[in-house]
Amino acid sequence: GAGVSQSPSNKVTEKGKDVELRCDPISGHTALYWYRQSLGQGLEFLIYFQGNSAPDKSGLPSDRFSAERTGGSVSTLTIQRTQQEDSAVYLCASSLGGAGTQYFGPGTRLLVL
Amino acid sequence: GQQLNQSPQSMFIQEGEDVSMNCTSSSIFNTWLWYKQEPGEGPVLLIALYKAGELTSNGRLTAQFGITRKDSFLNISASIPSDVGIYFCAGRLAGGTSYGKLTFGQGTILTVHP
Repeated sequence: GAGVSQSPSNKVTEKGKDVELRCDPISGHTALYWYRQSLGQGLEFLIYFQGNSAPDKSGLPSDRFSAERTGGSVSTLTIQRTQQEDSAVYLCASSLGGAGTQYFGPGTRLLVL
Repeated sequence: GQQLNQSPQSMFIQEGEDVSMNCTSSSIFNTWLWYKQEPGEGPVLLIALYKAGELTSNGRLTAQFGITRKDSFLNISASIPSDVGIYFCAGRLAGGTSYGKLTFGQGTILTVHP
């Protein structure tokens, strides 16, 4: 596709379960980012990938959060033992390089019951 | 963590009116960006600013990179109903070790009455 895609678009899970969120960046974009947006708030940076490595993972809120990127393309954000405060929209963005314009996907809306 | 203070939080205006919103920070930024987000979508870049004092227009939108590098504003002239959405400022900290990391403001919710 032409833009950043994310799946699933919506996810409802029970507290304590693990979830995986997927991001497909724009083809050829070497940089990939994850952000979290809580209701009525701005975007909070989580992690930045350049290729398959993550030079900045300073925004991950706890060790329950992890992310990986394979083949310089698809990325997966995993949240283990989900908590209700993890409920938010998780947005992925990609860019040609680290300083390039970031193009956002539509997000995954996560609700932890 | 670093925050951008964006104001106002919300605006209710009549179609045809001009709109102004701004962001301030206690730290210096080397890039300022303005995004618009519509319901169910990710943010879309409207304007990017790279130099202190830079004034850039995109149609009815005009944005400026403050001289102090700690603030930016966005103006929308002659608003129309499709301007409705949430507007975010974002920036890259000067001297930051992560090019990728953007810091976002809290957003301005814009409602335009026909």
